[in-house]
Amino acid sequence: EADIYQTPRYLVIGTGKKITLECSQTMGHDKMYWYQQDPGMELHLIHYSYGVNSTEKGDLSSESTVSRIRTEHFPLTLESARPSHTSQYLCASSADGRNTEAFFGQGTRLTVV
Amino acid sequence: GENVEQHPSTLSVQEGDSAVIKCTYSDSASNYFPWYKQELGKRPQLIIDIRSNVGEKKDQRIAVTLNKTAKHFSLHITETQPEDSAVYFCAASIGTGGFKTIFGAGTRLFVKA
Repeated sequence: EADIYQTPRYLVIGTGKKITLECSQTMGHDKMYWYQQDPGMELHLIHYSYGVNSTEKGDLSSESTVSRIRTEHFPLTLESARPSHTSQYLCASSADGRNTEAFFGQGTRLTVV
Repeated sequence: GENVEQHPSTLSVQEGDSAVIKCTYSDSASNYFPWYKQELGKRPQLIIDIRSNVGEKKDQRIAVTLNKTAKHFSLHITETQPEDSAVYFCAASIGTGGFKTIFGAGTRLFVKA
């Protein structure tokens, strides 16, 4: 079944550690996004990609980085996690073309202690 | 800058009553207006959308209206049920692909049985 997958679902990690949040989609979408969301609160766009080798920063400043080496894969990396990074991270994708809906992954809930 | 304001932030209704959520947007170039529903602990999912060449769209108990002149759009839920309880996000999108998608802050809807 075509979907968008995020791993891990939950992660508790110590300050200063490097982490990578995985996102993969089997929907054949060119466009992918990362949003940061505290539970039930606003969605903040932190990164997006038009396609392979394309990455852009979103509206909310973030210390994370992303890469897009394959169409289906859009990982997000934090080089040195801090407690302020504690949040939920949602990956999404959308089809090419004019004004199409975004499909979201289940999210990764990150806690930095 | 671009902005989407959403009201109210919290809405409590009795089962069977109607619920209305209102959004205004700032960029007159916006031409796609999706609404997402996010249940507790789950991912946001599209429930209805409207494009700028349409004034109203209905899908069973859900309807959306758009007033381009006033830059205002609304979500209407009739005959509310407890399973309608969730956070609802409006969004406004510009151009192709939905990259310039700006989300509202969300409305937490409680439907009391």
